[in-house]
Amino acid sequence: GDSVTQMEGPVTLSEEAFLTINCTYTATGYPSLFWYVQYPGEGLQLLLKATKADDKGSNKGFEATYRKETTSFHLEKGSVQVSDSAVYFCALSDRDYKLSFGAGTTVTVRA
Amino acid sequence: DTAVSQTPKYLVTQMGNDKSIKCEQNLGHDTMYWYKQDSKKFLKIMFSYNNKELIINETVPNRFSPKSPDKAHLNLHINSLELGDSAVYFCASSPGAGNTIYFGEGSWLTVV
Repeated sequence: GDSVTQMEGPVTLSEEAFLTINCTYTATGYPSLFWYVQYPGEGLQLLLKATKADDKGSNKGFEATYRKETTSFHLEKGSVQVSDSAVYFCALSDRDYKLSFGAGTTVTVRA
Repeated sequence: DTAVSQTPKYLVTQMGNDKSIKCEQNLGHDTMYWYKQDSKKFLKIMFSYNNKELIINETVPNRFSPKSPDKAHLNLHINSLELGDSAVYFCASSPGAGNTIYFGEGSWLTVV
């Protein structure tokens, strides 16, 4: 079945540091890939997505590129802020009616 | 305007009670979902409805019963609440298979 494996946390960074959260997937078809973010005490928000190989999703300074050859969709941000502290979820949708989520990575950014 | 809204946001109740969480979406989507997030933040789908028809039921205890009176609403009723039901329940919607899923703010359920 479809599955997503993402880097275990927690991750603690200083402001302006570079953030990478690794995400790899297993799917039988050609899935769409997503990153969702959950800020403390809030719901899930779509951060970015990519629907086919080599697509790059970007939003709020975050980027992720759909790499079919390595089955990966790593999330990156060049300079994090305290406001980026959140839980980040990688997810895939294999053209069916549900998202399969990774376990989530908690990121804390210190001033 | 809130795209996917669910109520209540917080719910504290005793074991054995029956409770409902309501969800409405104003995005015109055909598909709605309930997801459960446990204490370790792990997210798992519970149910999905497409055009008011149940299409996904992921081995959820039959104490949980979803109801979709129309495409814009998907309510979750839980009977005989147990301690292990304490979690955050997210309602969500999407235009259809393979599309982006949009989540509500979540309902924090605590069973005491």
